[in-house]
Amino acid sequence: AQKITQTQPGMFVQEKEAVTLDCTYDTSDPSYGLFWYKQPSSGEMIFLIYQGSYDQQNATEGRYSLNFQKARKSANLVISASQLGDSAMYFCAMREGRSAGGTSYGKLTFGQGTILTVHP
Amino acid sequence: DSGVTQTPKHLITATGQRVTLRCSPRSGDLSVYWYQQSLDQGLQFLIHYYNGEERAKGNILERFSAQQFPDLHSELNLSSLELGDSALYFCASSQGTGLAKNIQYFGAGTRLSVL
Repeated sequence: AQKITQTQPGMFVQEKEAVTLDCTYDTSDPSYGLFWYKQPSSGEMIFLIYQGSYDQQNATEGRYSLNFQKARKSANLVISASQLGDSAMYFCAMREGRSAGGTSYGKLTFGQGTILTVHP
Repeated sequence: DSGVTQTPKHLITATGQRVTLRCSPRSGDLSVYWYQQSLDQGLQFLIHYYNGEERAKGNILERFSAQQFPDLHSELNLSSLELGDSALYFCASSQGTGLAKNIQYFGAGTRLSVL
């Protein structure tokens, strides 16, 4: 079963506008972490923002914020005031606190990604 | 710059060959993770080492192996290479294994092309 779902293969936004990238997840573990990474065309993976399952407030990091809705199991990334340099692939990822047999503790499970294009 | 160093950046080799990918984690990080990114499989976890010990295995083929050395750098060995092994291989490091704020920082990746 897919644990991380990003339903938007591609998104377009005008420069200086805000954009929301969707992410839903599936886990039965009460302790987990949610992450967003950015992958520009150059290929590197850049950490953007983290949300813990027990965090009471939505995470924010500069122009990035995470809209965490635990009951709906969604962790959408909001980028405010988009810039041309924000054009990239964006990945949502989850790390569960434990897994059956403890064989995958610590690993990140990634969604398929969303390509964001910022238009001038 | 994430502080994670991967070498080489690009690798072109032939089927049946063996290659070694190298990763130096961020200063102070004890955990090293290897991931494979391909067009058909997306980003897949391969293996995790913590302070020299293997902690978890993911979808890693038997032809692949890894180790983490006393200085904490890690190597991923890929042998009997096939065309399907062509991918971008990432190394990531983090401070420990605990969940809370255990951010994984990624290197720039090694792009492997098997011809």
